[in-house]
Amino acid sequence: DSGVTQTPKHLITATGQRVTLRCSPRSGDLSVYWYQQSLDQGLQFLIQYYNGEERAKGNILERFSAQQFPDLHSELNLSSLELGDSALYFCASSLGTSLSYEQYFGPGTRLTVT
Amino acid sequence: QQQVKQSPQSLIVQKGGIPIINCAYENTAFDYFPWYQQFPGKGPALLIAIRPDVSEKKEGRFTISFNKSAKQFSLHIMDSQPGDSATYFCAASIEAAGNKLTFGGGTRVLVKP
Repeated sequence: DSGVTQTPKHLITATGQRVTLRCSPRSGDLSVYWYQQSLDQGLQFLIQYYNGEERAKGNILERFSAQQFPDLHSELNLSSLELGDSALYFCASSLGTSLSYEQYFGPGTRLTVT
Repeated sequence: QQQVKQSPQSLIVQKGGIPIINCAYENTAFDYFPWYQQFPGKGPALLIAIRPDVSEKKEGRFTISFNKSAKQFSLHIMDSQPGDSATYFCAASIEAAGNKLTFGGGTRVLVKP
């Protein structure tokens, strides 16, 4: 158990809908990363937050957005869902300072868009 | 320049064998190279990581070899066991830029009893 929690574990929704994925980082970690894992694209970085501020952006669609709250949990919002958004979404956390950049992944949320 | 290439895509070895997974990168600014292990239905788990100032690192039965001039690094699993059957991912990042990970495509390893 990495100490990173993600909810829900599974999500099934229809095209055009909007969903919110939630992540709680390990105790003490300030940085949260979101990754998408799909068969055709592999594991891809989406976005990073550090202590409430956006730190880096990757291949994240404009339909997707994220935020990190004062208690350091993070939410990834996916809107106008398409079939191709079906994937595993992972959250990872790290201390985020020069003391440790090691990232620990949560169990993921499996999103199925029908 | 952000790509990390991983090979082979899959690997089958007998118990006790040494699976070797190779990765190559292009961006010389990368300064942190972790390996992750993923079982079906689970999130990637950090196995071992190396920085470019070290040519080899061992943790238990896992060894990373790093060749900075060739921009290549590899994972060796010594005395492999059926429980090591999983998908392995190499990754690379720039720590000062937030450490976002760029992953290789993954290698599915099967260790036969």
